[in-house]
Amino acid sequence: GENVEQHPSTLSVQEGDSAVIKCTYSDSASNYFPWYKQELGKGPQLIIDIRSNVGEKKDQRIAVTLNKTAKHFSLHITETQPEDSAVYFCAASKTGYALNFGKGTSLLVTP
Amino acid sequence: SAVISQKPSRDICQRGTSLTIQCQVDSQVTMMFWYRQQPGQSLTLIATANQGSEATYESGFVIDKFPISRPNLTFSTLTVSNMSPEDSSIYLCSVTRGHEQYFGPGTRLTVT
Repeated sequence: GENVEQHPSTLSVQEGDSAVIKCTYSDSASNYFPWYKQELGKGPQLIIDIRSNVGEKKDQRIAVTLNKTAKHFSLHITETQPEDSAVYFCAASKTGYALNFGKGTSLLVTP
Repeated sequence: SAVISQKPSRDICQRGTSLTIQCQVDSQVTMMFWYRQQPGQSLTLIATANQGSEATYESGFVIDKFPISRPNLTFSTLTVSNMSPEDSSIYLCSVTRGHEQYFGPGTRLTVT
């Protein structure tokens, strides 16, 4: 089955800096790659996603890049703010709905 | 997006008992899913809840342990049966709307 590796497991940045989280996947048939943000005590919230026919997607301070050849994708958050502090999960899917998640990255943005 | 509610939000249960978790969506959806998130861990898909037919379970999960109902297009239940402390987790339902998947707030289960 699909195996999704996510790095780093923890990340601490200063407010205003950029944060980058990287994921690799094993199944070349995967074609959908969402990113979720989970705050303490809440369910995961979809923040951005990308499909395999696109190399990059941006939404304000958040961007995702995909390298299908290398089977890796990354989340970029610019101008980080304390409210960006949360656990971020990447996921991969070849069906578009059954998601295989990475282990998560705990991001801390310090003022 | 989708508005998803789950009941209960949390519970503490004794070993050997069962708990049924409810998931309600604000409008009809084709696909509903149940995930488990063990403490400090990632999410693992338990099963796909199919309306009008049996749920489809992922490897490592069986119907006897996690029976699922899907009586209509806005509601589903997951039962955690004969619980043990290893079942202590957050259980989340999710739905697809368009090409995106949205999650409920989760049910935090502690088994003593």
